[in-house]
Amino acid sequence: AQSVTQLDSHVSVSEGTPVLLRCNYSSSYSPSLFWYVQHPNKGLQLLLKYTSAATLVKGINGFEAEFKKSETSFHLTKPSAHMSDAAEYFCVVSSKTSYDKVIFGPGTSLSVIP
Amino acid sequence: NAGVTQTPKFRILKIGQSMTLQCTQDMNHNYMYWYRQDPGMGLKLIYYSVGAGITDKGEVPNGYNVSRSTTEDFPLRLELAAPSQTSVYFCASSRQGARNQPQHFGDGTRLSIL
Repeated sequence: AQSVTQLDSHVSVSEGTPVLLRCNYSSSYSPSLFWYVQHPNKGLQLLLKYTSAATLVKGINGFEAEFKKSETSFHLTKPSAHMSDAAEYFCVVSSKTSYDKVIFGPGTSLSVIP
Repeated sequence: NAGVTQTPKFRILKIGQSMTLQCTQDMNHNYMYWYRQDPGMGLKLIYYSVGAGITDKGEVPNGYNVSRSTTEDFPLRLELAAPSQTSVYFCASSRQGARNQPQHFGDGTRLSIL
């Protein structure tokens, strides 16, 4: 069965330092992959997506992610954290069995310390 | 630009009561989805629709019903509320299937069953 693992349930960084949020997926085919962000009491917003084009994907607000097939990873990074980046981040993988569905990881909560 | 609108934002129900969570989108998207979000669990798909008149079950459909009479609206019905249905509910839409198209989310309905 497909699954998405977000290796850290919580990450804390200081403002201005790099952010790394880790995501691994299990899939027997080449999936589409997404990162979404959820600010408190809000819905999810797309940060970036990978759909078999360039392996390094740039998203909004300075975030990027690299698809590494050999490692089945899709880690999210940002060079310098901002206070407004504090939020919940979800890694999402497309379903093998359905064009219509995706599978959400459990989420990583990012805290940014001033 | 409203996007996806969910009402109500908050609701408290008694066990056994029924209610309808409303969702409407103004982007003329074919696909609509209902998810529930429980702490540390990511989002689980309840039901989805690929167009007016067509609905299908997701991972956790038990205790819920949906209808899709128009492109814009996708209400979620709870017939006999149970404490296990205490959750945050998100409606989402996308132009095509979620595999390749980003989903647009509402701000959620926070539901407590007591």
